[in-house]
Amino acid sequence: EDQVTQSPEALRLQEGESSSLNCSYTVSGLRGLFWYRQDPGKGPEFLFTLYSAGEEKEKERLKATLTKKESFLHITAPKPEDSATYLCAVHGGASYGKLTFGQGTILTVHP
Amino acid sequence: DTAVSQTPKYLVTQMGNDKSIKCEQNLGHDTMYWYKQDSKKFLKIMFSYNNKELIINETVPNRFSPKSPDKAHLNLHINSLELGDSAVYFCASSQDETQYFGPGTRLLVL
Repeated sequence: EDQVTQSPEALRLQEGESSSLNCSYTVSGLRGLFWYRQDPGKGPEFLFTLYSAGEEKEKERLKATLTKKESFLHITAPKPEDSATYLCAVHGGASYGKLTFGQGTILTVHP
Repeated sequence: DTAVSQTPKYLVTQMGNDKSIKCEQNLGHDTMYWYKQDSKKFLKIMFSYNNKELIINETVPNRFSPKSPDKAHLNLHINSLELGDSAVYFCASSQDETQYFGPGTRLLVL
């Protein structure tokens, strides 16, 4: 069964203080690893899809990387508006269409 | 334009009642999903439909019954609501690997 573990559970940063969120996974035949952002009271908002080890994707202050066992979401010089819960999910080859989510990392960026 | 929409946004009801949640997507996607997010914010898939055909049916009580009248709509009907059904229910849709989520329906069973 696919499994996803995210760390840390919560992360507090000062504005401008760069850091990384971790997503460790076990999956049978990775078809995709996904990062989402979720604001309070809203639905998950798609950020990135990564398909194979070594792949990297960037969007503004966010950069996602992938290895065979984990993914990192790097946040460079974060701003208060980056505060949200960041969710990682995997789609395994044995589970058609089914995303398995981690428990999320709650990021708070203080001005 | 809203890509994936759900109604209602909030639903407060008594134990034992029957209720429905509706989902519509205007993205032209073939596959739609229902997820449940519990109080610890953990998202778990419940059902998936591809072109109106059920393809994923996780271990969910049979009080929950999804229905897809067409590939743009996926509704969720819940019979005999229980306290433990209180959660946020999200609809999502996809054409390939990436799933796009709706705003959620917050269900509170009293």
